Formats: sequence, structure tokens, C-alpha cells
Amino acid sequence: GAGVSQSPRYKVAKRGQDVALRCDPISGHVSLFWYQQALGQGPEFLTYFQNEAQLDKSGLPSDRFFAERPEGSVSTLKIQRTQQEDSAVYLCASSFSSGTYEQYFGPGTRLTVT
Amino acid sequence: LAKTTQPISMDSYEGQEVNITCSHNNIATNDYITWYQQFPSQGPRFIIQGYKTKVTNEVASLFIPADRKSSTLSLPRVSLSDTAVYYCLVGALNTGFQKLVFGTGTRLLVSP
Repeated sequence: GAGVSQSPRYKVAKRGQDVALRCDPISGHVSLFWYQQALGQGPEFLTYFQNEAQLDKSGLPSDRFFAERPEGSVSTLKIQRTQQEDSAVYLCASSFSSGTYEQYFGPGTRLTVT
Repeated sequence: LAKTTQPISMDSYEGQEVNITCSHNNIATNDYITWYQQFPSQGPRFIIQGYKTKVTNEVASLFIPADRKSSTLSLPRVSLSDTAVYYCLVGALNTGFQKLVFGTGTRLLVSP
């Protein structure tokens, strides 16, 4: 069975450009999470979806960050007007339900803003 | 969510047993203890979860003393491929949704 996939795996953006990062969760997984991981640090929560509803976006660092999951499956994390501090690995995770700590992570997208 | 403290790094050799201890003095009654493993250039992977006493699966064992203020992840007979960062997380289930709160983890280096 396929796991969580993310694309692109690597993205280089010039400062000020917009980027879109895609996540394909495991089929049938209700919950979808985005995390940001800076070099040498643990992942940090960004936002959470249950099906198509975005129930928590408290971790998004600024209004330049936007996430959507319109049909309750694929999700896109968009960053507008990228800044150097946005450089990080963006991880997507999905889980079968909301009441579990067992999340399945994708390989991440490494974003470098130059 | 309860704060956790774990060693920044550990070294071991192939074939040895490795025990990584995590302190969580403020653990709440409803909190569970979960461990994740992360290899370079990969997302974290769930290893094991427990509430009290001992839990064992095909990968690791988790020992939790009666007061639950700490827990120990035990990796039997490690190999080079066990070199990774190990995260201890503590939190309650059924509180709406399970947002994972990672610390900086323990970097385990296994040498030949």
C-alpha cells in the first residue's frame, strides 16, 4: 500500500516568490497534518484538517501561509511572498482518525529560499 | 501537553541494547507516552506507545514505572540502521485531535 507522498521533494524559491507544496495522504485517512521542521529541530505543528475542514491553523507562522484540502484528500500548503526564514522541511502526516497519536508521515518537501 | 526531557545524543555499538530515558514529571492522568523515530531525509515514524508498565512490539520495548514520571525506550541489539533521532511525546488521547508536539529528540549514533 502507498504511504503518504509529497511533492516536490525539493524546492528552491527566490525570496518573494509564491510556492505550493502538495501532500497525498494515505487513502481513507480522515486526519491530515502539516508540520515545519527547521534544521536540527523537531517538527512543529502548522495546521490540521479533518476531512475537508481545517479545524486548527494555530501553528501557521503568518498570514502568508495558507493550506487547503478541498475534497478531503489531497492537501496543498501555499506560502506567499517567501522569506528566507521560511526555509525548512515541510512534513505532511495523515492518520486514520483524530483520536490517535499514530500518524504516518511523508518524506517532506525541503524548501530553500534564496 | 506535558514537557519532556531526553538526552541530546547517545552513542552505541552494533549488537548492544540501547535504553533512552525520557523525563515527564508533569504527566497528567490521561496522558499517553509515544515514541517516534526519524531517519535523515525522512519523516518521523511511529515506534511505540504506552500508558503504564511495559509495552513490547517487534521494534522496541517501552518501560513505564508506576509513577509514570519517566519512560525508557529500549532497542534490543541495535544495528547501524538504527542510527536516527528518537522523540518522546506525551499527551492525552481523545482531546479533540492529536497534534504532535516534538522536542529536539535524542540523536542515536550506532557504530560498527
